[in-house]
Formats: sequence, C-alpha cells, structure tokens
Amino acid sequence: AQSVTQLDSQVPVFEEAPVELRCNYSSSVSVYLFWYVQYPNQGLQLLLKYLSGSTLVESINGFEAEFNKSQTSFHLRKPSVHISDTAEYFCAVSRNTGNQFYFGTGTSLTVIP
Amino acid sequence: EAQVTQNPRYLITVTGKKLTVTCSQNMNHEYMSWYRQDPGLGLRQIYYSMNVEVTDKGDVPEGYKVSRKEKRNFPLILESPSPNQTSLYFCASSSFRGQGSYEQYFGPGTRLTVT
Repeated sequence: AQSVTQLDSQVPVFEEAPVELRCNYSSSVSVYLFWYVQYPNQGLQLLLKYLSGSTLVESINGFEAEFNKSQTSFHLRKPSVHISDTAEYFCAVSRNTGNQFYFGTGTSLTVIP
Repeated sequence: EAQVTQNPRYLITVTGKKLTVTCSQNMNHEYMSWYRQDPGLGLRQIYYSMNVEVTDKGDVPEGYKVSRKEKRNFPLILESPSPNQTSLYFCASSSFRGQGSYEQYFGPGTRLTVT
C-alpha cells in the first residue's frame, strides 16, 4: 500500500514570501500525484496533478510542484504567497490504475500580513 | 453547474440508529468515492466505485456499506453507527478520460455526530 507523509503540519509565512510544502510518498509502483486545497468549511479542490510527462506541473494561481522519482517527493512551492492562500493543503497519491487514493495528514498554511 | 451534492450536511444521531448519507454527481463520472476526515489523520478512503455495480473497500471500510445502482448516486450507509464514526465525510467523483482525468470533485461534506 502507498503512504503519504506531509512532515509540516503548520507553516506560517509572511505575505509575499516564498513557501514550500513538503510531500513524500512510499510506493514501489508507478503513481499519480495530486495536491488539493481546502478552504475553511469547504470541500477539497484540486490544485495540480502529475500523471505523466513533464515532472514540473503548475497551477493557474502560481503554485508549482515537481515530481522527483528518486526522492519519492512531490513538494509544492509558490514564489510569493498572498493572504488568500491561507488554507489546508493535502498531498495525495494513487496507483496509476486510479482506484485507491491515499492522502497525507495535511499542512495548514497561514499567510501573515 | 457541475457539482457533487451530499445530504444531509449536518447530522446528529444516536448509537445504533441506521442512517444513510446520499451523494449525487451530475458529471457522468465513472468513479465515485467516500472519505472521512479526522483531525491529525487527513482524509482516509472508506469505499470507492469504479462504475455501476462495481464497489471496493478503501482503507477504513469497517462499519460502512455502499451501493452503486445508478451512475450518478453513491450512498453511504451506516447500519449501526458508533461514536467512533463521528467525523466529517466527503463524497468525490472523477472521470478516467479526458483532460480532467483522475481529478476528483468533492462534495461540501457531511458532519456526522454519533452520541
């Protein structure tokens, strides 16, 4: 079975500073990788995904993540955060059959004015 | 509007009283899934369905049942709820095809309290 580790449960960062949210996974098979964002009292929304191809994937709101197969990582980065980025972020992994999904425990990002 | 709906949004019940949480999607997605979210544990998959009449256990299926008689609906059934099933539940759906493949759309959540 896969497992997903998000080492940082809380990340405070000042507005306009860069941020990296870390995600590591364990799997011996090919996987699909995802980052989801959850705003307070809402469901999860897909931020970006890696299925195949280029290892660097980007979202429409400035986030990016890079799939590193040798380090089994899929860290999320943004060069300059905004107040509106304050939310809970979840990393998820699925085998490339796309059936079972495993989520990390989440990272709470707080952007400080 | 493409969406996943869940009902009820909030539910307080007592131990042992059977309940059903409904989930419906209007995107013709093949895949549907149920998760529970607990503090410090993230989301854990309860059951999933790859298509009509095809369901399978996720990581934490004990105490839950599901059915997939129609493509759009995927109800979650708790035959005899217990306090350790107090949680926030999410339904999600996705397609295996096209540009949005494997992108899960989540419902708004159902907050269940079992006393």
